[in-house]
Amino acid sequence: KQEVTQIPAALSVPEGENLVLNCSFTDSAIYNLQWFRQDPGKGLTSLLLIQSSQREQTSGRLNASLDKSSGRSTLYIAASQPGDSATYLCAVFSGNTPLVFGKGTRLSVIA
Amino acid sequence: DTAVSQTPKYLVTQMGNDKSIKCEQNLGHDTMYWYKQDSKKFLKIMFSYNNKELIINETVPNRFSPKSPDKAHLNLHINSLELGDSAVYFCASSPRPEFTDTQYFGPGTRLTVL
Repeated sequence: KQEVTQIPAALSVPEGENLVLNCSFTDSAIYNLQWFRQDPGKGLTSLLLIQSSQREQTSGRLNASLDKSSGRSTLYIAASQPGDSATYLCAVFSGNTPLVFGKGTRLSVIA
Repeated sequence: DTAVSQTPKYLVTQMGNDKSIKCEQNLGHDTMYWYKQDSKKFLKIMFSYNNKELIINETVPNRFSPKSPDKAHLNLHINSLELGDSAVYFCASSPRPEFTDTQYFGPGTRLTVL
């Protein structure tokens, strides 16, 4: 049974810092992994989708990497801004089951 | 311009009542989903519909009955509400049902059962 863990559960950084959010999964046989952003009172916004054949995806200040063999993904946020404050969720698709989500990392970027 | 919309945004009701949540997407996607996010923030899929047909039912109690009148709408009806049904319910859509595409989520409906 696929399980997704995100560490840390919460993170607070000063504006301008680069930071890394971690996601690990127990079954490395995945089709893809997605990173989402969840703002309070709003739905999830998909940030990056990495297919199993890819090692990383980039969008603006965001870079997500995937190491299937070790069951890990990282989301790197460069030059963080207060507007980046949100909960970041990763979710994996393993083929047999629907998307399995982690509990998320709550990020606060302090101005 | 809202891609995936849900109504209502908040729903407070008594145990035993029946309630519905509506979802609409204007993205032209074939597949729609209902997810439940509980108080521990775990987000889990409940149902998935592709072109109005149920394709995933993740052992959800039969008090929950999704209905898809057309592929742009997926409504969730809940009978005999229980305290444990309190959660945020998210609707989502994607072009295809294989989870290989990005999913687009609605803003969520916070259900509180008293």
